[in-house]
Order: sequence, then structure tokens, then C-alpha cells
Amino acid sequence: GDSVTQMEGPVTLSEEAFLTINCTYTATGYPSLFWYVQYPGEGLQLLLKATKADDKGSNKGFEATYRKETTSFHLEKGSVQVSDSAVYFCALIFVIKAAGNKLTFGGGTRVLVKP
Amino acid sequence: DAGVTQSPTHLIKTRGQQVTLRCSPKSGHDTVSWYQQALGQGPQFIFQYYEEEERQRGNFPDRFSGHQFPNYSSELNVNALLLGDSALYLCASSVGGSGANVLTFGAGSRLTVL
Repeated sequence: GDSVTQMEGPVTLSEEAFLTINCTYTATGYPSLFWYVQYPGEGLQLLLKATKADDKGSNKGFEATYRKETTSFHLEKGSVQVSDSAVYFCALIFVIKAAGNKLTFGGGTRVLVKP
Repeated sequence: DAGVTQSPTHLIKTRGQQVTLRCSPKSGHDTVSWYQQALGQGPQFIFQYYEEEERQRGNFPDRFSGHQFPNYSSELNVNALLLGDSALYLCASSVGGSGANVLTFGAGSRLTVL
């Protein structure tokens, strides 16, 4: 079945450091890929997405590129802030209209940014 | 504009009991999905409801059941609770019975089974 693997945390960084969170997936076909973020006590928020190979999703300084050849969707940010401290989830979905579909999530990576 | 609202936010049950969790989708959304997030893990898909029907189901036993009402709100029911059912239950809404649109998640209902 489909699966998503992301690097285990916690990842501890200093403010303004470069952040990379690795994500690889296993799936038959070409899914859409997402990064979600979960702040303490809150639900999941969509951070960015990519729907086809070589697409780059970007939002709030975060970027990720859909790499079909390596089945990867690594998340990067050039300069993190304390407010970026959260848990980040990589996820995939196959869109099947009217038949229902589901997000498959990785295990999450906790990021802690220190001042 | 309210997003996805879930109730209750926290609850404690004992083994063998039954629980009902409720979800109101974001305004304009007609599809509701439920996910279980165990502590320290990623969310796992339970099922999705569209047009008051279960459209897809994840790998969860029949103890987990759901319902969608004509106003698109939804309930998740879990019978014969086990300790392993302790988790954060997330509701997500979207449009048109498809995941093509972005899912909007609620803050979740945290269930503790003693």
C-alpha cells in the first residue's frame, strides 16, 4: 500500500538556521503531495502542496519540490523563526472523484527553534 | 467564517464504553473525513462521508462507525472502547466528495480511555 516516510525528530535549530525535513513516499502511480503543519493544541494546517512532478510548492518561506525520480518531497526553509516550532507532516493523496479518497500521512517531524 | 468545529474537545471514557464525537464542516463544504492521531504519530484515515454515504474506509474495525446528516455535519461513533483507542480524533472537511480540494482540519477531540 501507499506509505510516506519522513525523518524522525525532534529537530532542534537556532533562529535563522536552515531547515530541511526529508520526505519520501511509496505509491503506485503519481499522487499529489502535501506538507501540513500542526501547532500545539491546534489542528492540521496545509502548508504547501504539489500535484505533479517538478511542481514546487511554496508558502511562508517554506518550499518543497515534487521529485518523481526519487519519490521525494523534501521541505526546506532558509531562515527559521521561533514561531516555526511545530510538528510537520508530509502526506500524499490520490484524487478519485466521487469515489472517496484519503490522505496518507508520514509520522511527523517535530521542529524546535530556539532564540 | 467558522472553520471546522469539533466537540467535545476532551473526554475520558472507560474500557467497554461507547463514545460519539461530532463535527461541523467549514461553511460551503459538503464532505467530511475522520482521522485518528495516536500520540507521536501521523493521522490515520478512518473514513470519509459524502452525500450522507460512506465513500471510503481505512483499516479500522467495525467498532468505528459514522454518519453524515443532511446539513453535512457528521458523527463518529466508537463502540466497546479499548485502551488503544486513546487518541486525537480529527475531522476534516472539503468540497465535492473529492480530495482534489484542500482539506480543512478541526482542532480535534482528544479521547482518553482508562
